[in-house]
Amino acid sequence: AQRVTQPEKLLSVFKGAPVELKCNYSYSGSPELFWYVQYSRQRLQLLLRHISRESIKGFTADLNKGETSFHLKKPFAQEEDSAMYYCALRPNSGGYQKVTFGTGTKLQVIP
Amino acid sequence: DVKVTQSSRYLVKRTGEKVFLECVQDMDHENMFWYRQDPGLGLRLIYFSYDVKMKEKGDIPEGYSVSREKKERFSLILESASTNQTSMYLCASSIQGGRTEAFFGQGTRLTVV
Repeated sequence: AQRVTQPEKLLSVFKGAPVELKCNYSYSGSPELFWYVQYSRQRLQLLLRHISRESIKGFTADLNKGETSFHLKKPFAQEEDSAMYYCALRPNSGGYQKVTFGTGTKLQVIP
Repeated sequence: DVKVTQSSRYLVKRTGEKVFLECVQDMDHENMFWYRQDPGLGLRLIYFSYDVKMKEKGDIPEGYSVSREKKERFSLILESASTNQTSMYLCASSIQGGRTEAFFGQGTRLTVV
């Protein structure tokens, strides 16, 4: 079974402070990990995926297979980063690819 | 521009009613999903479909059924709506295979009274 854990329901940081949203997963095979974001009154959308190893809107996330973690980081928070963030896992295998989401973390950036 | 469209943004239904939530995607995706989104519980998978007429139960299928008669359309059915099914419902689609993300609809906020 696959599982995604986001331990923080709410994370409040001041503008300009570093941000780290935690995500841990359990899956016996090789996973693909994603971060999705939902801004107020907008649909859920992809922020970044571990395969791309990219930085989007200043956010990065590194897959740590030893710690089974995929934490989302940004060195300097901006007010427009305030949103709901979901970590997600999809098996990197053939067949049907069920995506499992974590419970989400609300990021609140205080001006 | 990729599109997943849910037929209603808001719905109010009475307890015991049969409720249909419709979702259409225009990207020729094989996979389609229905989630419900609740505060503190995140997104929970209700059902998913990997092909026309094919479906798999997700984590919380009780009280729901689905229908996929055409590739682009995936319907969620509440056979007899109950107040504990009041929630935000999200539809999503993705291609099968490859390394792409799921695309989401705008959501349907269902209130059962």
